[in-house]
Amino acid sequence: DIQMTQSPSTLSASVGDRVTITCRASQDISSSLAWYQQKPGKAPKLLIYKVSNLQNGVPSRFSGSGSGTEFTLTIRSLQPDDFAIYYCQQYNRYPYNFGQGTKLEIK
Amino acid sequence: QVQLVQSGAEVKKPGASVKVSCKASGYTFTNHYMHWVRQAPGQGPEWMGIINPSGGSTSYAQKFQGRVTLTRDTSTSTVYMELSSLKSEDTAVYFCARDPISLTALVGAYYFDYWGQGTLVTVSS
Repeated sequence: DIQMTQSPSTLSASVGDRVTITCRASQDISSSLAWYQQKPGKAPKLLIYKVSNLQNGVPSRFSGSGSGTEFTLTIRSLQPDDFAIYYCQQYNRYPYNFGQGTKLEIK
Repeated sequence: QVQLVQSGAEVKKPGASVKVSCKASGYTFTNHYMHWVRQAPGQGPEWMGIINPSGGSTSYAQKFQGRVTLTRDTSTSTVYMELSSLKSEDTAVYFCARDPISLTALVGAYYFDYWGQGTLVTVSS
């Protein structure tokens, strides 16, 4: 099975900062990569699909890049609402699995 | 607007079954695949299975084969997830999640654009 590994596990940052989260796949997943944001007690929210396509309504300060096995989510000019857990997910093939998550916390 | 509304929290004993519902509104129910995803405490989400709301065909993650059944009722735009032979490790929040691709594509995208609010299933003796 494909393994999805995110780094870092926890990221401390301040409002206005630019942050980058990395997601690595154990096998080539082409561009079948999505990013989600999850807040406590809520369902994940789709931010980006197909590596770099912003879901409708998602602010343009979110961006994604990468291909093959290495991908990044960048948030420029962090806002208070952005502090949450972020997950990557590969949907190239079964088991359509997620990374373990990156907790973005306020410094 | 698209909404997926799930049934309420459940507490079950080991060995029992649980059935969770997910009522869809705001779009044509039979036009999009629906998935079930679960999330154990402190863990990332885990894909469980997919149902074609139009024809009713299903596909399940190997881990849940034989224990999970996905069904749908087109008259009420509702999908159901039933999990049997519950163990303590099944304690998790269960989500329904819509596939963004129309059924005309013949195969789902396997990422998820709308989610239900989640249903906590607690398995405890």
